[in-house]
Amino acid sequence: GIQVEQSPPDLILQEGANSTLRCNFSDSVNNLQWFHQNPWGQLINLFYIPSGTKQNGRLSATTVATERYSLLYISSSQTTDSGVYFCAAGGSNYKLTFGKGTLLTVNP
Amino acid sequence: EAGVTQSPTHLIKTRGQQATLRCSPISGHTSVYWYQQALGLGLQFLLWYDEGEERNRGNFPPRFSGRQFPNYSSELNVNALELEDSALYLCASSRTLEAFFGQGTRLTVV
Repeated sequence: GIQVEQSPPDLILQEGANSTLRCNFSDSVNNLQWFHQNPWGQLINLFYIPSGTKQNGRLSATTVATERYSLLYISSSQTTDSGVYFCAAGGSNYKLTFGKGTLLTVNP
Repeated sequence: EAGVTQSPTHLIKTRGQQATLRCSPISGHTSVYWYQQALGLGLQFLLWYDEGEERNRGNFPPRFSGRQFPNYSSELNVNALELEDSALYLCASSRTLEAFFGQGTRLTVV
């Protein structure tokens, strides 16, 4: 099955800084999603991005499917951005394989 | 539009008992997925239901089972509960490939 690796595992920033989170996947995918897990455990959809580039406010994402990686950019980070960010990839069987996540801490 | 809803939010059971978790998908979504997030094990795929049929199953023992009803809602049943079943159980639904998750049910087995 698909393997998903995320880096870095932990990231500590000062408010206002920019950051890049990386997701590598081992095979061609039909689905690539980025999530933010809130303190109560819910996975909040950030991007559905099997290929290409998307932007939503201070967040943007790029997936280069041919090179099997995706990047999540967070600009001008805020304390409310803190939490765990997950990348998940899926093939033709609709099953999502999750990476281990990046724990982001934004300090005021 | 209502999102994916799960009930109950928290559930405490004794080892050996059975637990039933429920999920209502987003209106118009026919696929429901169940994932387990146990401490130290990450998010693991459990089950996928579509149009009332089980389509795919993760690497979990048969005491993890479920079903999907005609209205596309779903139940996850865990029989003969073990301490290591304590986890956050997340349900997701989709109409196409993009999955949307509920808030989860936190199951504690004592």
